[in-house]
Amino acid sequence: AQSVTQPDIHITVSEGASLELRCNYSYGATPYLFWYVQSPGQGLQLLLKYFSGDTLVQGIKGFEAEFKRSQSSFNLRKPSVHWSDAAEYFCAVGQASSYKLIFGSGTRLLVRP
Amino acid sequence: EAQVTQNPRYLITVTGKKLTVTCSQNMNHEYMSWYRQDPGLGLRQIYYSMNVEVTDKGDVPEGYKVSRKEKRNFPLILESPSPNQTSLYFCASSLDDPGNTGELFFGEGSRLTVL
Repeated sequence: AQSVTQPDIHITVSEGASLELRCNYSYGATPYLFWYVQSPGQGLQLLLKYFSGDTLVQGIKGFEAEFKRSQSSFNLRKPSVHWSDAAEYFCAVGQASSYKLIFGSGTRLLVRP
Repeated sequence: EAQVTQNPRYLITVTGKKLTVTCSQNMNHEYMSWYRQDPGLGLRQIYYSMNVEVTDKGDVPEGYKVSRKEKRNFPLILESPSPNQTSLYFCASSLDDPGNTGELFFGEGSRLTVL
């Protein structure tokens, strides 16, 4: 069965510092991979997605993620965090004709001034 | 403005009192779905619909019902709510199967408390 693991429940970084959020997936074939962000009191918004091709994908708000098949990982990165990036981040995996996305448990990002 | 609208946003109710959470989207999307979000568990799919009058169970359908009589609306019905249904509920829509498109458009969520 497909599954997504986000090993970090909370991460705190200083404003201006770099960020990496971890995501590991379990899936038999090449999955479709996504990162979503949930700001306080809001629904989830798609940051970026990977279907195939270049393993480094760019998203909105300056985020990027790298697909590493050998490590079954799809980590999210940002070179310099802004206070407005404080939110909860969800990694998700999908499969054609599955009619759903499977979400990880989320990582809450706190940003220190 | 393209959006998914849920109502109510907040609700406190008592065990056994039937309730409905409405969901409407204005993007002419074929696919709609309900998820619940619980701490440490992420989002889990309750039901989904690929078209009018076509609905199917997700991973946690027990205790819930849905209907899709119109393309834009997908209400979630709790016939006899129980405390374990206390959760944050999200409605989401997509042009097509999100397993293909990857992009789900989410409502702002409905926080339900069952006493």
